[in-house]
Amino acid sequence: QSALTQPRSVSGSPGQSVTISCTGTASDVGVFNHVSWYQHHPDKAPKLLLYDDTKRPSGVPDRFSGSKSGNTASLTISGLQDEDDADYYCCSYAGSYTWVFGGGTKLTVL
Amino acid sequence: EVQLVESGGGLVQPGRSLRLSCAASGFTFDDYAMYWVRQAPGKGLEWVSGISWNSGSIGYADSVKGRFTISRDNAKHSLYLQMSSLRPEDTAFYYCAKRGSGSYGMDVWGQGTTVTVSS
Repeated sequence: QSALTQPRSVSGSPGQSVTISCTGTASDVGVFNHVSWYQHHPDKAPKLLLYDDTKRPSGVPDRFSGSKSGNTASLTISGLQDEDDADYYCCSYAGSYTWVFGGGTKLTVL
Repeated sequence: EVQLVESGGGLVQPGRSLRLSCAASGFTFDDYAMYWVRQAPGKGLEWVSGISWNSGSIGYADSVKGRFTISRDNAKHSLYLQMSSLRPEDTAFYYCAKRGSGSYGMDVWGQGTTVTVSS
């Protein structure tokens, strides 16, 4: 159960797009279509942004989109807004009723 | 309103035990798998444990396997985490979370409870 690999930080200006990668292995990201993404503001509960690689829960803006290729999943945030400044985590099902999170990425909106 | 409320956190000495609870409301609790996720100070989120709707499937992170036990009482709409042989590295903010409908995502989270393991 090794943590998925995410960049420690990314940044972008309002209106721009950023992509956060999430690299796992053929035992988690690469074999299951169950990567989810979470936005976490300090002192608040994490918020589900995407599930099952690319699906958006109701209420999540379509500025947030997901993709996956091989062992790497990606979250793209388009039209950056100030309120997107937060930590972002990927999470993958890893089999045998276990899950694994990424180390998290700090997004700074410049 | 769908809500999860954790309780039971506190300061505990290394080697001792603690039981966390998570009270669910606003949804049909026994329809959904539930999870515990923690965040140590200055660190990222770590999945700790999960339990299916009927307790038929249970999983643990390697870091807690053999020391923590997850359980649920569907009649009481409650999720539990029995933590034993606690270590300083178990110090964290513990969240309970609900599995989303037809997905493997965690769509509802509680506000969390703090566990501090220190002598």
